[in-house]
Amino acid sequence: DTEVTQTPKHLVMGMTNKKSLKCEQHMGHRAMYWYKQKAKKPPELMFVYSYEKLSINESVPSRFSPECPNSSLLNLHLHALQPEDSALYLCASSQVPQGDLDRGELFFGEGSRLTVL
Amino acid sequence: QKEVEQNSGPLSVPEGAIASLNCTYSDRGSQSFFWYRQYSGKSPELIMSIYSNGDKEDGRFTAQLNKASQYVSLLIRDSQPSDSATYLCAVNFYGNNRLAFGKGNQVVVIP
Repeated sequence: DTEVTQTPKHLVMGMTNKKSLKCEQHMGHRAMYWYKQKAKKPPELMFVYSYEKLSINESVPSRFSPECPNSSLLNLHLHALQPEDSALYLCASSQVPQGDLDRGELFFGEGSRLTVL
Repeated sequence: QKEVEQNSGPLSVPEGAIASLNCTYSDRGSQSFFWYRQYSGKSPELIMSIYSNGDKEDGRFTAQLNKASQYVSLLIRDSQPSDSATYLCAVNFYGNNRLAFGKGNQVVVIP
């Protein structure tokens, strides 16, 4: 079972709102990721958690705040977003962090489509 | 800068034909290579992973890796309309804890 579950599937928010995206996996994976994807573009890495610690922040604006409460859960807190932040936000997980040979296969959730008005 | 290139434009193939997708990468030390399929409006789905030179077959899909020439390809045999999607090549560069994605190739299978 290679399932990564994301909620909500769709989110519409104003620029002054605070909302959160949630991600859950029960595959025992020890690395979890947030990606952002715009239409007709490849996914862009935002954050990586390895063994529940933030290991990579790709210079993401502070209006995006990640949180990893435990090895199965990953949240992305959103505050004061801009319309250009509207995109598909993808959570992914891998058995071990990327860079470990042969076990870095990345599995994506269905995504949360965010619209900022 | 470590790069993954997928330069071909949209690929139209008749149903039943072979679709061939190519990907080149810049770092000779790269170790892990992946192909993802993404339907419009959906998330990427891992369809193939390959780690050593040669061919790897899974159903109608064959991945081919040539590390000396720094390319990885994907063949889709007996193409079906359900194969119409964007295919993303992804490379894990050695010592780099992240995947680098190519821009993707759109495949359209014509019934």
